[in-house]
Amino acid sequence: GQQLNQSPQSMFIQEGEDVSMNCTSSSIFNTWLWYKQDPGEGPVLLIALYKAGELTSNGRLTAQFGITRKDSFLNISASIPSDVGIYFCAGLFNTNAGKSTFGDGTTLTVKP
Amino acid sequence: EPEVTQTPSHQVTQMGQEVILRCVPISNHLYFYWYRQILGQKVEFLVSFYNNEISEKSEIFDDQFSVERPDGSNFTLKIRSTKLEDSAMYFCASVGEETQYFGPGTRLLVL
Repeated sequence: GQQLNQSPQSMFIQEGEDVSMNCTSSSIFNTWLWYKQDPGEGPVLLIALYKAGELTSNGRLTAQFGITRKDSFLNISASIPSDVGIYFCAGLFNTNAGKSTFGDGTTLTVKP
Repeated sequence: EPEVTQTPSHQVTQMGQEVILRCVPISNHLYFYWYRQILGQKVEFLVSFYNNEISEKSEIFDDQFSVERPDGSNFTLKIRSTKLEDSAMYFCASVGEETQYFGPGTRLLVL
């Protein structure tokens, strides 16, 4: 089956620093989604990417859909304490109907 | 803003008992999903549902699992005879506008 490798597994940063995480896949996806999950809650969609090369921002978050369609990155600029959580990438092959394949997650800790 | 809702938020059950997890997807969405997340692990796909039938299922979704859309709004996951390893968060999701939206989850604990 499709596998996503997400890195890094965890990050410990100071408030104000920028953060970068990425996902790579052995096969192509037609949609990349980035989610944030707080403990005991469901994944909350941050950014959705639909075209290879697409670069999309949502406030301090920026994500890109890789040209090869096999990778994506998420950047967070000027981190704040509430950015703490687990960030997951997810790829869909069939955008409107298919399952999401999730990465293992990046656990972000922000020190004030 | 429309959202996916799930009930109950928590369920504790004895091994071997049946459980039914309920979801109300976003109203104009047509594709529905169940995922599970074992504590500390990633989200795993269980099953997708479209037009009143299963469109895809994973190897996790064995004969103990079933899904149903009993009316126009609810989408349920039934586990017939729960096992200890079924303890997890179960998330419902629905797709609309080319994006998948997740519910808040049901935490299932099997004792």
